[in-house]
Amino acid sequence: EDQVTQSPEALRLQEGESSSLNCSYTVSGLRGLFWYRQDPGKGPEFLFTLYSAGEEKEKERLKATLTKKESFLHITAPKPEDSATYLCAVQALNKFYFGSGTKLNVKP
Amino acid sequence: EAQVTQNPRYLITVTGKKLTVTCSQNMNHEYMSWYRQDPGLGLRQIYYSMNVEVTDKGDVPEGYKVSRKEKRNFPLILESPSPNQTSLYFCASSTNSQGAPGEQYFGPGTRLTVT
Repeated sequence: EDQVTQSPEALRLQEGESSSLNCSYTVSGLRGLFWYRQDPGKGPEFLFTLYSAGEEKEKERLKATLTKKESFLHITAPKPEDSATYLCAVQALNKFYFGSGTKLNVKP
Repeated sequence: EAQVTQNPRYLITVTGKKLTVTCSQNMNHEYMSWYRQDPGLGLRQIYYSMNVEVTDKGDVPEGYKVSRKEKRNFPLILESPSPNQTSLYFCASSTNSQGAPGEQYFGPGTRLTVT
């Protein structure tokens, strides 16, 4: 069964305190892994796509990496505006499976 | 402005009363999809469409219908809503480059309550 698990469910960081979010998956025929950011009351917003093990993508304080079984979203020196729920999704053929997200709270 | 729009944004209805949630995108995307989001369960795909007149079931299609008569529109139909369909619904769209969808653009969501 195709499955996506994100951990931790919630994460509280002090401003400047770096950390990582995890997304582990079991899926047949992975086509891509996606990271999204979701702010309260809004739809998810695309961050990154990763296609193969070893691939890395960066954007400002965020860096996403991919292995054969999991992906990490590294947050370096976070700021309060990075507070949001981060969602991971995997693509199998033309379907998408999402994890339940990690709610990140960055305190000033 | 490139966007996905959904209407209505909020809806309270009663069990059994048919309803339609509209979704429209202005990016000429081939792929469109509907999701529901419930606490602790994340986003679950209901239906998706690869292109006009081509639709297929996602993970949780029971109780829902869709149609894709035009490229820009992808309405979600609940013919006989039940309380377990109370949820936050998102429409999304994507290009179909190389025959497969990629990153999705999401609408603002429709919060549905069925009493």
